[in-house]
Amino acid sequence: QVQLQESDPGLVRPSETLSLTCSVSGDSINNYYWSWIRQPPGKGLEWIGYIHYSGSTNYNPSLKSRVTMSVDKSKNHFSLNLSSVTAADTAVYYCARAGWAGYDYYFDFWGQGTLVTVSS
Amino acid sequence: QSVLTQPPSVSAAPGQKVTISCSGNTSNIGSGYVSWYQQLPGTAPKLLIYDNNKRPSGIPDRFSGSKSGTSATLGITGLQTGDEADYYCGTWDRSLTAGRVFGGGTKLTVL
Repeated sequence: QVQLQESDPGLVRPSETLSLTCSVSGDSINNYYWSWIRQPPGKGLEWIGYIHYSGSTNYNPSLKSRVTMSVDKSKNHFSLNLSSVTAADTAVYYCARAGWAGYDYYFDFWGQGTLVTVSS
Repeated sequence: QSVLTQPPSVSAAPGQKVTISCSGNTSNIGSGYVSWYQQLPGTAPKLLIYDNNKRPSGIPDRFSGSKSGTSATLGITGLQTGDEADYYCGTWDRSLTAGRVFGGGTKLTVL
């Protein structure tokens, strides 16, 4: 069974960079796209972006200027950096695997999520 | 404001059937495939339906999905109190601001 676990940065100061890592177990990070999705308290889901095991990326246009994703195949994990954060970036951040069955991607495995609070 | 429109809430009695709609346009639902997710309180979302109407292993056939034109529908039959959750639809949007998009979510209350 695939399991994903986000790191826990907790509190991030405004204007700083939010850094998260998602550790994957039970499957190789190869051959899949991996994603970050966030959910502000009491609100809906927002897709942040995809990264392929090859390193290719696709980001949400609304966040693209501040987002960087990377993958470390040797550690079987992938990472998210979100720069110049503000209070609006406070959210539960989820990592997820993008499954594919021939037509479209969907998120079939999710981490438990980690709450990141932006505050001074 | 979400790209995909869902009703904020729906409710029904145990044992009954409920449907949740997800409305989009030709740049997203109309030209793609829809997935549905269930989010129980305090937990991560869980995949219920993918490719419009397929269920992952372990999802009971009480859950079904369909798509027509620029709208999709999630159906749940034989409602149980454990089905109380938020439900989200998702797809790929091919407009100028292309990306993976979700509906705003629907809170299901089982009365």
